[in-house]
Amino acid sequence: NAGVTQTPKFQVLKTGQSMTLQCAQDMNHEYMSWYRQDPGMGLRLIHYSVGAGITDQGEVPNGYNVSRSTTEDFPLRLLSAAPSQTSVYFCASSYSRTGDTPLHFGNGTRLTVT
Amino acid sequence: EDQVTQSPEALRLQEGESSSLNCSYTVSGLRGLFWYRQDPGKGPEFLFTLYSAGEEKEKERLKATLTKKESFLHITAPKPEDSATYLCAVQTGFQKLVFGTGTRLLVSP
Repeated sequence: NAGVTQTPKFQVLKTGQSMTLQCAQDMNHEYMSWYRQDPGMGLRLIHYSVGAGITDQGEVPNGYNVSRSTTEDFPLRLLSAAPSQTSVYFCASSYSRTGDTPLHFGNGTRLTVT
Repeated sequence: EDQVTQSPEALRLQEGESSSLNCSYTVSGLRGLFWYRQDPGKGPEFLFTLYSAGEEKEKERLKATLTKKESFLHITAPKPEDSATYLCAVQTGFQKLVFGTGTRLLVSP
């Protein structure tokens, strides 16, 4: 039981490049989400999904796209990277669709945009 | 606007020196309060959920308590392996979770 797996662990992009951060979970959780963590700020929700085919925006969605074609996978796409997107990105899943059960986090992707 | 404030930002303790971390919140409605532990280079790991004022949860050297305005994470006789950042998060609505900025705890032998 691997939990939540994120790849890659580290990534450096140039401004304007695009990339996809991968996230997979093997707990059959309906709810999956993407957060970013910046120094001096709490974790902020980018996008979330309550099941295959259903996604919605969180607090800071601009510049990011998501899709959910299967229960297991929830990739995050950066369309045109900007230095403001330098951050650590965490994928998280939980059993409950309403978000009132604990989140299981991956170990993050550290992204630097130059 | 919903706000979650954690204090102190950083705390240094000697092994065995008990202390408490604070999470105060100003939110429109509390559906649950979560404590997580985060080690460097890792994702947050769930510790406790509290749902109503007066509730307490314990796990090894950690005890979490909840009032109507704040939560405390009490650490009794800490060990160096308790060193980590402790995050508090408040659920205020459907899929609405507000995180604090965390307390960095360092326990020296």
